[in-house]
Amino acid sequence: KAGVTQTPRYLIKTRGQQVTLSCSPISGHRSVSWYQQTPGQGLQFLFEYFSETQRNKGNFPGRFSGRQFSNSRSEMNVSTLELGDSALYLCASREGDTQYFGPGTRLTVL
Amino acid sequence: AQRVTQPEKLLSVFKGAPVELKCNYSYSGSPELFWYVQYSRQRLQLLLRHISRESIKGFTADLNKGETSFHLKKPFAQEEDSAMYYCALRTGGTSYGKLTFGQGTILTVHP
Repeated sequence: KAGVTQTPRYLIKTRGQQVTLSCSPISGHRSVSWYQQTPGQGLQFLFEYFSETQRNKGNFPGRFSGRQFSNSRSEMNVSTLELGDSALYLCASREGDTQYFGPGTRLTVL
Repeated sequence: AQRVTQPEKLLSVFKGAPVELKCNYSYSGSPELFWYVQYSRQRLQLLLRHISRESIKGFTADLNKGETSFHLKKPFAQEEDSAMYYCALRTGGTSYGKLTFGQGTILTVHP
């Protein structure tokens, strides 16, 4: 099976803009989780979607949102970007208790 | 709230030496613990889970609820073990897809 894919791989935005990141899970996986990875805070959970419903949410402001489509593909959106949003954003699809991670999207906010 | 602590940011050993990567957690309930690994230029991937009590690539980890620890051990390190290692905790219940990660330990195995 193909692995988790994320698009785009790299993004450069300016403060105040918004951004949408996409994640395609492994075929057959219905759960998609998103994480933010930064040098200072490490890997932090953003949210999880399962069958188009948000199941869990991390401790991030409302500017961070997500959704999942009927084919299990997921998008996350960050509005009103801040410099501190610069990070690697990872998504993972899950089978049982194993999460399979994508390569990440590197977001740089200038 | 749950927390995972990996006290060592960097760990260097020589090939053939034993290695132990430390992980401590705080959670009042019944935790599920995992080790994830990221090799250079590869994706983050699951190494092992405490529930299965398996040995993967020579690595083992035992959950010690009394000491709230889940240290990763290997008796004889190999150069190909050099990677970033993350300890992660899942709190069960409906938190299926939510992992709390430690800060990670970079393991370097010298020839």
